[in-house]
Amino acid sequence: KAGVTQTPRYLIKTRGQQVTLSCSPISGHRSVSWYQQTPGQGLQFLFEYFSETQRNKGNFPGRFSGRQFSNSRSEMNVSTLELGDSALYLCASPPAGYYTGELFFGEGSRLTVL
Amino acid sequence: GENVEQHPSTLSVQEGDSAVIKCTYSDSASNYFPWYKQELGKRPQLIIDIRSNVGEKKDQRIAVTLNKTAKHFSLHITETQPEDSAVYFCAACDRNSGNTPLVFGKGTRLSVIA
Repeated sequence: KAGVTQTPRYLIKTRGQQVTLSCSPISGHRSVSWYQQTPGQGLQFLFEYFSETQRNKGNFPGRFSGRQFSNSRSEMNVSTLELGDSALYLCASPPAGYYTGELFFGEGSRLTVL
Repeated sequence: GENVEQHPSTLSVQEGDSAVIKCTYSDSASNYFPWYKQELGKRPQLIIDIRSNVGEKKDQRIAVTLNKTAKHFSLHITETQPEDSAVYFCAACDRNSGNTPLVFGKGTRLSVIA
């Protein structure tokens, strides 16, 4: 079974720009969760999508948004980038295919904002 | 919502010694407590988990303990080796509900000194 695939792996943007990150969950799985990882803050929950519907949302400003397509692939978008948005963005899906709490992570997209 | 506190943030031990990382959680509804290990430049990977119906679980040199009354759980690594050096994250959620995301602590950077 293929794992969680994230693209791009690395990207550099400047303040004020916007960025779109993509995630394909484990094949056949309908749930996708997004996390932001920064030094000292650990893994902070952004949002979760299940069958194209946002099921949970973390405490991030409205500049952070996401969506999920019918093939379960998900995208997250960050508009009006700030220096503090520099982070590793991780996508994850439950390896069991249904909610158990366990998450299998992708390799992440490392965003640098200059 | 759930809040997970993790201590210490950094930990250095001599090879062969034991390491203990502690976490507390706030939501009494949480019943699933996984631990993830993230090596440098890699994705977080599940190393062990415990559910609220057990107090301890072991897997070779790794063990987790859970005290539901006090709402804390711990990771114990015995006979540490250099390859144990990584960042460790604890997490908590209600695995019976698809409406609560997995909430992580801020991580512990473990360094095993040879």
